[in-house]
Amino acid sequence: DGGITQSPKYLFRKEGQNVTLSCEQNLNHDAMYWYRQDPGQGLRLIYYSQIVNDFQKGDIAEGYSVSREKKESFPLTVTSAQKNPTAFYLCASSIRQGRGELFFGEGSRLTVL
Amino acid sequence: DAKTTQPPSMDCAEGRAANLPCNHSTISGNEYVYWYRQIHSQGPQYIIHGLKNNETNEMASLIITEDRKSSTLILPHATLRDTAVYYCIVSPTQGGSEKLVFGKGMKLTVNP
Repeated sequence: DGGITQSPKYLFRKEGQNVTLSCEQNLNHDAMYWYRQDPGQGLRLIYYSQIVNDFQKGDIAEGYSVSREKKESFPLTVTSAQKNPTAFYLCASSIRQGRGELFFGEGSRLTVL
Repeated sequence: DAKTTQPPSMDCAEGRAANLPCNHSTISGNEYVYWYRQIHSQGPQYIIHGLKNNETNEMASLIITEDRKSSTLILPHATLRDTAVYYCIVSPTQGGSEKLVFGKGMKLTVNP
């Protein structure tokens, strides 16, 4: 079955540690996205990528980094510079940039202790 | 700027139709209306989208008023599994999917 796989589902880290969240898709989609969701809130865009080796900052990119070396993969690193990293992180993809039908993964819940 | 307005919550009885309203009075002529839903602690799921005509798929129907200033998502026979937060989103005229703004949405609770 085609879809988006995020891992890990739950992650605990100590303050000051970098952590990388994995996102893999086998939908052959060109565009991929990372969102952050805080309790009771909507989604906020962190980074997005339209093609391999290219990505753009979203609304809240500070303290985060991404790479897009392969079409299928778009990992997100939460760095120690992110002041409030505890959140629910969602990865999504779309056939191409400009198409509104986003396909989401199941999310990764990061808790920084 | 919030481009859509939804009530914060709504209840529906299992087996009945759930009619979820959305106001988008400032929508432009070439902007689409998208609906997604998010079941607790999962990723959002695309439901349906439309421009001006009513749309139907296996999940729901979308009714857009003639002036396009509001729309209604209809779940014809709500089940307990339809309990979720529903997002009504207007697509931007410039840019693409990254411009979709997921606000707080509307919590639909389907009661047995």
